[in-house]
Amino acid sequence: QTVVTQEPSFSVSPGGTVTLTCGLSSGSVSTSHYPTWYQQTPGQAPRTLIYSTNTRSSGVPDRFSGSILGNKAALSITGAQADDESDYYCVLYMGSGFWVFGGGTKLTVL
Amino acid sequence: QVQLQESGPGLVKPSQTLSLTCAVSGGSIGSGSYYWSWIRQPAGKGLEWIGRIYTSGTTSYNPSLKSRVTISVDTSKNQFSLKLSSVTAADTAVYYCARGSTAWYYFDYWGQGTLVTVSS
Repeated sequence: QTVVTQEPSFSVSPGGTVTLTCGLSSGSVSTSHYPTWYQQTPGQAPRTLIYSTNTRSSGVPDRFSGSILGNKAALSITGAQADDESDYYCVLYMGSGFWVFGGGTKLTVL
Repeated sequence: QVQLQESGPGLVKPSQTLSLTCAVSGGSIGSGSYYWSWIRQPAGKGLEWIGRIYTSGTTSYNPSLKSRVTISVDTSKNQFSLKLSSVTAADTAVYYCARGSTAWYYFDYWGQGTLVTVSS
């Protein structure tokens, strides 16, 4: 069974930079997985931040960026702000019409 | 602007079938290169992809749920539906419907979500 791994929690100082990662229990993440990153605040539907590894969704500030770092997908936030405190989920396309979400990372800004 | 709205019973008894519908507005469900998905999230937990359907009727399901899930589409009503059979308390979750992009394999528009509780 495919498992997508994310850090359960992370903290960053206001104005700081943080990189969240998204890996596979077996194998490497590549652009062929079309990594997508979502931001979710309590009670709200997920909001798309990054799709297809590094394409920012409409209206997303350029301090959010996506990449492949080593064998994982990565979401970097530069100049973290208080309202970046959210849960962040990655999802990978596994081919043949199947997707797997990561367990999410709870980001604290303090 | 495409909008999706889930509807259905908020309470389902154990062993029964959960049924939800997602109404799509702001565009035709049959137009463009999209697929239509269901995703769920138990309280305090992460997101889980349930399955997806093309308007052609082609489906794919999460292997862990495949034996209990059916997703269907009704293009005349511009909506698609989820049925999950033999539910247990573990199926209690917020259920989201979402549109997917076939170009970039991600879910670009989401409904607001609907809470379904499985309890007697």
